[in-house]
Amino acid sequence: NAGVTQTPKFQVLKTGQSMTLQCAQDMNHEYMSWYRQDPGMGLRLIHYSVGAGITDQGEVPNGYNVSRSTTEDFPLRLLSAAPSQTSVYFCASTNGGEAFFGQGTRLTVV
Amino acid sequence: GENVEQHPSTLSVQEGDSAVIKCTYSDSASNYFPWYKQELGKRPQLIIDIRSNVGEKKDQRIAVTLNKTAKHFSLHITETQPEDSAVYFCAASILRFAGKSTFGDGTTLTVKP
Repeated sequence: NAGVTQTPKFQVLKTGQSMTLQCAQDMNHEYMSWYRQDPGMGLRLIHYSVGAGITDQGEVPNGYNVSRSTTEDFPLRLLSAAPSQTSVYFCASTNGGEAFFGQGTRLTVV
Repeated sequence: GENVEQHPSTLSVQEGDSAVIKCTYSDSASNYFPWYKQELGKRPQLIIDIRSNVGEKKDQRIAVTLNKTAKHFSLHITETQPEDSAVYFCAASILRFAGKSTFGDGTTLTVKP
């Protein structure tokens, strides 16, 4: 099993650009989540999904969209990038209990 | 919503000493409390977890204790080693809403040889 795979690993965007962070898991997990990690602030939940076709907002959803058309994939879309979205993004999946994280995407918005 | 507070934010110990990190949570419905270790530039990885029907759990040098009444749980690392140096995060969630975890802000543990 590859586990949770995120792409890209690094990305630089200009203010106002849009992009999609990809996340895929091969463990048949029901639940998938996106977190952002900022220095000294831990992991904050952006959006999460409890199954294909079902998503909900987390703590910091503004400026981000998600969809879950399959069990395996949970992409995160930045609609119009802002410098405040500079962060490290982690995708995670779980079936209840331990969360398995992707390797992270370091995003810089200039 | 759930709020998780973690203390201390930094902790420095000598090799061989014990380290204790404490977290408090606000939502009495939370029933799953994991601890993750994150090494520099890496992804968080689970080191130990506890469910609300258990008061203590041990795994070699690592233990977690839970006080449901006081809504706090702690990570205990004994006989610390330099490779224990990392950032540690606690989290709280409701298992039937798995995927919606609230994390503490992290503790940077440094073990001096």
